[in-house]
Amino acid sequence: AQRVTQPEKLLSVFKGAPVELKCNYSYSGSPELFWYVQYSRQRLQLLLRHISRESIKGFTADLNKGETSFHLKKPFAQEEDSAMYYCALSGYSNYQLIWGAGTKLIIKP
Amino acid sequence: DAGITQSPRYKITETGRQVTLMCHQTWSHSYMFWYRQDLGHGLRLIYYSAAADITDKGEVPDGYVVSRSKTENFPLTLESATRSQTSVYFCASSEMGGIRNTEAFFGQGTRLTVV
Repeated sequence: AQRVTQPEKLLSVFKGAPVELKCNYSYSGSPELFWYVQYSRQRLQLLLRHISRESIKGFTADLNKGETSFHLKKPFAQEEDSAMYYCALSGYSNYQLIWGAGTKLIIKP
Repeated sequence: DAGITQSPRYKITETGRQVTLMCHQTWSHSYMFWYRQDLGHGLRLIYYSAAADITDKGEVPDGYVVSRSKTENFPLTLESATRSQTSVYFCASSEMGGIRNTEAFFGQGTRLTVV
């Protein structure tokens, strides 16, 4: 079965510290992986997708097929990074995203 | 305004009543989606539509009805609301490539409480 697991419901780090939000998935084929973010009082929006290999707002994520993980990383956290982060997986279909439960990231000053 | 808009933002209704949540997008995106989000869970797909007059069930369709007579509108109806349908509902849209290949754009969400 397709599944996305974000093991941390809440992650709190100090400003300037490195951040790693974990995402593990279960899928037998070649998935597309995404990170979506929801800032306070804003809409859910795409942060990055693994196929684009971009760095957005200093965040990167590497797809590790061996460990079936897609962890989101940033070397130096900023206060504006505080938000809910969701990892999502797309299998073979054009309509289905499987979502993790989300991690609330709090950056302490 | 350009974008995707949900209405109402908040709704309280009684068990057994019919409720319709509205979703309107101005981009002429092919795909539209309805998700529900419950505490401690990820978003779950209720229904989706690949184009006008084409709709299909998602993961949790029971108790819901959708229609898409126009590209820009995708209303979600709870035919007889139950307490288990208390949730936050999100509408989303994406271009022709679908949610796997293009970005999904989300509405602000509708918080529905069934009492």
